[in-house]
Amino acid sequence: EAQVTQNPRYLITVTGKKLTVTCSQNMNHEYMSWYRQDPGLGLRQIYYSMNVEVTDKGDVPEGYKVSRKEKRNFPLILESPSPNQTSLYFCASSSLQMGKAFFGQGTRLTVV
Amino acid sequence: RKEVEQDPGPFNVPEGATVAFNCTYSNSASQSFFWYRQDCRKEPKLLMSVYSSGNEDGRFTAQLNRASQYISLLIRDSKLSDSATYLCVVIGSARQLTFGSGTQLTVLP
Repeated sequence: EAQVTQNPRYLITVTGKKLTVTCSQNMNHEYMSWYRQDPGLGLRQIYYSMNVEVTDKGDVPEGYKVSRKEKRNFPLILESPSPNQTSLYFCASSSLQMGKAFFGQGTRLTVV
Repeated sequence: RKEVEQDPGPFNVPEGATVAFNCTYSNSASQSFFWYRQDCRKEPKLLMSVYSSGNEDGRFTAQLNRASQYISLLIRDSKLSDSATYLCVVIGSARQLTFGSGTQLTVLP
């Protein structure tokens, strides 16, 4: 079954404690991206990757890092989380030819 | 100016009504267009692609106007189950997906 898997689904952490949200897709897609969604602001892109070892900033990259060492994985790293990073996060992947995006189920992060 | 703009709504319509959403985009080189549906706190899911000639899927019709740089979604005979947030997605020449902020629809009994 084609899918994008994010983990964890829910996370409560404290300010400054490094965390990683994993994202994995089984569709051999070139394109992967991370979004955060906040009330009234819609989906905002954090980082995206066009292929292995190719990553680029989206609209709101501050405070986040990503890596794309393998095609299937695109982890999101918060080196020093702050309360303003409390949000709902989605990972998505897409074939560059097809365009249709598949989303993970989301990670609800709370930073206290 | 945002690359992709949508009226956030909310749109509250009675069952059976026809409702239309628009989405404007700023990059004239944009190549592909989609509508996604998002239920509360869940991941967005593809509703339909948008083709230049316009396309229909049951009660849903999508249209693209390249000259005016907007896409539209028309829902006929609204059902309670259509209540959701509708997101337009534009793919640019660099193949990057850009989402609109979404339009919230509530269909009332």
